[in-house]
Order: sequence, then structure tokens, then C-alpha cells
Amino acid sequence: KNQVEQSPQSLIILEGKNCTLQCNYTVSPFSNLRWYKQDTGRGPVSLTIMTFSENTKSNGRYTATLDADTKQSSLHITASQLSDSASYICVVSDRGSTLGRLYFGRGTQLTVWP
Amino acid sequence: EADIYQTPRYLVIGTGKKITLECSQTMGHDKMYWYQQDPGMELHLIHYSYGVNSTEKGDLSSESTVSRIRTEHFPLTLESARPSHTSQYLCASSTSGRPEDTQYFGPGTRLTVL
Repeated sequence: KNQVEQSPQSLIILEGKNCTLQCNYTVSPFSNLRWYKQDTGRGPVSLTIMTFSENTKSNGRYTATLDADTKQSSLHITASQLSDSASYICVVSDRGSTLGRLYFGRGTQLTVWP
Repeated sequence: EADIYQTPRYLVIGTGKKITLECSQTMGHDKMYWYQQDPGMELHLIHYSYGVNSTEKGDLSSESTVSRIRTEHFPLTLESARPSHTSQYLCASSTSGRPEDTQYFGPGTRLTVL
């Protein structure tokens, strides 16, 4: 069964600190992995996308890593800001469907305190 | 910022009412999707469309129906709302539906059925 598991479920950090969010998946055959940011009451916005051959991808203070062998990914946030408070969702696509079916994790709820 | 819009943003209605959630995109995308998301849970695909006059049911069984008469418009209808329909509904679109294509999400409609 194709699944995406994220940890931790929630995280509280102080402004300026770094943090790392984890994602494990069992989706096969694998196409790509994205990290989305979802602000409260808003739709998800794509932060990064990585294919099988990519190990790391950065978008400003966000750096995602991918280990396709162990089927793990992480999202590292550097020098956190209050605006980073949101849910971060790991999303994996498979190559087996023409639809581009997405498998969503439940997200990590990040709260950044001043 | 993606050019995909949803109205209303919030809706509180009584049981048995008929409702239509609107979704429009100005990006000319062929593929459109409806997701359902409960708090702290993953997004579930309930409907999708490859283009005009094409609609399909998603992974999660839903009593809602959709239509795609125009490329830019993908409304979702509930003929008789029930409290079990209380949820957040997210609309998304993409260029082609291939796994590498980004899905752009609208801001969502939060529906409460009393």
C-alpha cells in the first residue's frame, strides 16, 4: 500500500532556530517527492520537488533532501521566522498512473515562537 | 501565487440544503482536482477532470458531484448536505497531470453543516 508518513506530528521552535522535518514513504514506482507549505486556512503551496536522481534541493531557507534507497526525505528550515508557522506536507507521486496521482502525508504542524 | 480561486471561503448551512462550491482557474490548465481535508489529516482526492466534459471519481468515495463545462471552471455540488460533509474542500489544477507537473491549489472552502 502506498503511504507517506511524517514526523514529528507537531513542533514548536523559537524564532531564529533551525529545524528538520522527516518524511518516510512506501510509494512505488516512485516519480518525485514534493514538500508543500500550507498556511492555516489556505491551500498548499509547493516549496521543492525532487526526482529519483536528486539528493538535495534548496528554496531560500528551505533545503530538502532525498534518499531514494531508504525512501526517506527531510526538510530543513534555517533561521526560522514567524511566517514559517504552517503545516508542512510531504507529497509523493508515482510513475504508474497517467493521472500523476499524489500521495499526501498528514503534515508536520510547525509553530515558531518569538 | 497561483491563479486559482474558490468561493465561498467559508460556508455554514443546515442539513438537507443543496450547495455548490465554485472553483475557477485562469492558467488554462486542462487538469483539475477536488480534495477533501479534515483537520490534521491528509488530503484525499474526491474528483478529477482531464478536460472539458471529462470527470472521474477519486480515491475517496464522496456523495458530491462535479461538472466541467468550461476549461476554467470546475464546480462541486452537494445535493443534500449532511453533518458528515463538514470538512475543508480544496480545488487544484495542473498543466497535464503528469507526475512531474505541479498541482496549484486554491485557498479552500471550509464547509460546516449543522
